[in-house]
Amino acid sequence: DTEVTQTPKHLVMGMTNKKSLKCEQHMGHRAMYWYKQKAKKPPELMFVYSYEKLSINESVPSRFSPECPNSSLLNLHLHALQPEDSALYLCASSPTAGVKNIQYFGAGTRLSVL
Amino acid sequence: GENVEQHPSTLSVQEGDSAVIKCTYSDSASNYFPWYKQELGKGPQLIIDIRSNVGEKKDQRIAVTLNKTAKHFSLHITETQPEDSAVYFCAASPTGTASKLTFGTGTRLQVTL
Repeated sequence: DTEVTQTPKHLVMGMTNKKSLKCEQHMGHRAMYWYKQKAKKPPELMFVYSYEKLSINESVPSRFSPECPNSSLLNLHLHALQPEDSALYLCASSPTAGVKNIQYFGAGTRLSVL
Repeated sequence: GENVEQHPSTLSVQEGDSAVIKCTYSDSASNYFPWYKQELGKGPQLIIDIRSNVGEKKDQRIAVTLNKTAKHFSLHITETQPEDSAVYFCAASPTGTASKLTFGTGTRLQVTL
């Protein structure tokens, strides 16, 4: 089973709201990722967690706050977002964070910020 | 950092024809090159990958070639079918401490009947 599950599938929020995106995998993978994808663009890496520790933050604004409570779960906490943050947020996982590890993607959460 | 260019941005072929998508990369240290297919409303799914010690890899109707000297790699789909219609992304992964994929800009493939 190579499934990465993301919830919710769709989210609409105001600029003053606080919401969270959730990602779960049960493949025993020890690396998890958050990507942002705008329409007709490729995914852009935001964060990488390796063994539940944040290893890469691609200079993402602090209104995005990642959390990895355990090896199967990855959250992205959202606060005071801007309309330009509207996008598809993708989670991925891989066995480890080493180079050449296959990344498996979830279906994404489509976020609209009003 | 790594920069990946991908062409064409759109490609329309008739069912049964072949499709070729080409990518070039800039970082000579890159050594892993996956291809992802993204269907509408879904996340990217790996369809094939190639590592730097191999020049060509094939999986049924899909093949990928790699030219490390020229820093380019290509995806070949033969006998295309309507279900091949999707957006295809190439990616490159330079050496480093994590799987930091840099994606190409994507190719929208449409297979017409």
